[in-house]
Amino acid sequence: SQTIHQWPATLVQPVGSPLSLECTVEGTSNPNLYWYRQAAGRGLQLLFYSVGIGQISSEVPQNLSASRPQDRQFILSSKKLLLSDSGFYLCASHRGSFNTGELFFGEGSRLTVL
Amino acid sequence: DQQVKQNSPSLSVQEGRISILNCDYTNSMFDYFLWYKKYPAEGPTFLISISSIKDKNEDGRFTVFLNKSAKHLSLHIVPSQPGDSAVYFCAAGYTGGFKTIFGAGTRLFVKA
Repeated sequence: SQTIHQWPATLVQPVGSPLSLECTVEGTSNPNLYWYRQAAGRGLQLLFYSVGIGQISSEVPQNLSASRPQDRQFILSSKKLLLSDSGFYLCASHRGSFNTGELFFGEGSRLTVL
Repeated sequence: DQQVKQNSPSLSVQEGRISILNCDYTNSMFDYFLWYKKYPAEGPTFLISISSIKDKNEDGRFTVFLNKSAKHLSLHIVPSQPGDSAVYFCAAGYTGGFKTIFGAGTRLFVKA
């Protein structure tokens, strides 16, 4: 069965510092991968998605970037964090080869920017 | 632009009664709809889905109803149990697209 690992689970960073959140997927190949963010009191906002190695689509102009160096690895980065980057970041993969919207999520990474 | 809307931030229900969570959407291209359940500090888990060719899908205590003309769907939980207390997200997408769009979520409290 599919498993998604995210790390770190919790991160406290000062404003202006860099960020790297990692996500790896097991149990599937060539998945579509997604980064979502849940800010305090808000829903799940789609940040990036990737349909293959090196292919990144950005949904929201912001201070973040994403990369997919390997088939089952997805990385979220920032060069300089803002206070507004605080939130709960979720990596997700869709189940199966056809996008039916059914996503499988990792455990999440909670980022607090101070 | 909120394409998927959940206008009720919270809902409180007595154990054993019915919970009804509502969701509205604006994009006519959406042809599949899903509900996810989320506990604090965890990722959401898939609960139930429905295709636009159906108006009802049932899975145990959970039933999703779709009204395409009204661009409205709802999740019914019968009977509600304290373990159902969580945040429920409505989501939608369209065949051939790569994105699943989520609503803001509704926090359900089931009182024992």
